[in-house]
Amino acid sequence: AQSVTQLDSHVSVSEGTPVLLRCNYSSSYSPSLFWYVQHPNKGLQLLLKYTSAATLVKGINGFEAEFKKSETSFHLTKPSAHMSDAAEYFCVVSLFSGGYNKLIFGAGTRLAVHP
Amino acid sequence: KAGVTQTPRYLIKTRGQQVTLSCSPISGHRSVSWYQQTPGQGLQFLFEYFSETQRNKGNFPGRFSGRQFSNSRSEMNVSTLELGDSALYLCASSFTDRDQETQYFGPGTRLLVL
Repeated sequence: AQSVTQLDSHVSVSEGTPVLLRCNYSSSYSPSLFWYVQHPNKGLQLLLKYTSAATLVKGINGFEAEFKKSETSFHLTKPSAHMSDAAEYFCVVSLFSGGYNKLIFGAGTRLAVHP
Repeated sequence: KAGVTQTPRYLIKTRGQQVTLSCSPISGHRSVSWYQQTPGQGLQFLFEYFSETQRNKGNFPGRFSGRQFSNSRSEMNVSTLELGDSALYLCASSFTDRDQETQYFGPGTRLLVL
């Protein structure tokens, strides 16, 4: 069975400091992995996706994530937080079953950025 | 390309009424999925349509239904509304590239049931 666990429900950082949002997945085969961001009262925006072409994936707004198969992790990082990064972040694994894909969402991590 | 659009953005209904939400996918995308997001349950998958056929369904009662038109636009209907149906309803359209599907979400429709 496939699942995804976001290890922190809330993360708080100061502006200009690094961001680390942790995600572990469980998959019986090589997964497709995504990070989405949701700002208040908005839909979900795709930050980045793992395509198996490279383990280090660069996304929008300076975010990147590293796929580590040995640790079954896909943590999201950013070197320097900006106030506009305050939002909820979802780690997502794609399950292929019955001829089509279904997304499994993590519970989300709410990121707060303080001045 | 224009993104996924959803109408209306906000809706207030009373218990027992029915509601129809609309989603226009990104041009060229043939798959449309619907999700319900609430503070308590998080994001829950409702159903997916591909080429006018429902090909996947989540664990929601039959009051929740949908359809897709030949231009890939989709509608979701909820009949006999309950207070617990208050939520943000998100639509996502997707395409498959080299066996990987990527979903792009609309801004959502916020439904409040009184």
